[in-house]
Amino acid sequence: QSVLTQPPSASGTPGQRVTMSCSGSNSNIGGNSGYWYQQFPGTAPKLLIYRTNQRPSGVPDRFSGSKSGTSASLAISGLRSEDEADYYCAAWDDSLSAVVFGGGTKLTVL
Amino acid sequence: QITLKESGPTLVKPTQTLTLTCTFSGFSLSTGVGVAWVRQPPGKALEFLALIYWDDTERYNPSLESRLTITKDTSKNQVVLIMTNMDPVDTSTYYCAHDSVGDRGFDYWGQGTLVTVSS
Repeated sequence: QSVLTQPPSASGTPGQRVTMSCSGSNSNIGGNSGYWYQQFPGTAPKLLIYRTNQRPSGVPDRFSGSKSGTSASLAISGLRSEDEADYYCAAWDDSLSAVVFGGGTKLTVL
Repeated sequence: QITLKESGPTLVKPTQTLTLTCTFSGFSLSTGVGVAWVRQPPGKALEFLALIYWDDTERYNPSLESRLTITKDTSKNQVVLIMTNMDPVDTSTYYCAHDSVGDRGFDYWGQGTLVTVSS
């Protein structure tokens, strides 16, 4: 059971805006930066968002991150078929002194 | 160009000790840099294992800490993860990743190595 809670699945149609949530606590999301990773089957995760809402170089601005209280969110606008992947949230947890991950959300583009 | 690559056995027996090596290039374990290990059982979520920083600070997943040791060899550009008392539930793809101080996340990852625990 993961420390951060993500819905197991999400879906949308091409062009649509999709959001996915990541619920934590004051010791992780509430007090620290949130991160998002994208993973395609059989490949390593890729950093999508850091410091809650920053995009690494090369990540399209269709991807955006935000936080409210102890929850973080990832939004994807202008959904494309190539966005179909697993998305994981992560954060540092002050109580555990460790990085914690969510259980992942599988995004399906219908 | 930053690259990382994991190496080690693909098959270990239950109760054995696993030793994995992360060999990296394009950066040195100097000020502000760390290397982490993350694993992923087949079809399951990512799980943080351990992290070591340039200043020898170590961080471990509390649920696995008693079984884990992370070390670094700066001269060889390598980070080693040791996990004792392996069990079939430890069957996973093990990744190493680059981390830098400043909340930049795990911004570069190795390709991962699948370790199967079976007798």
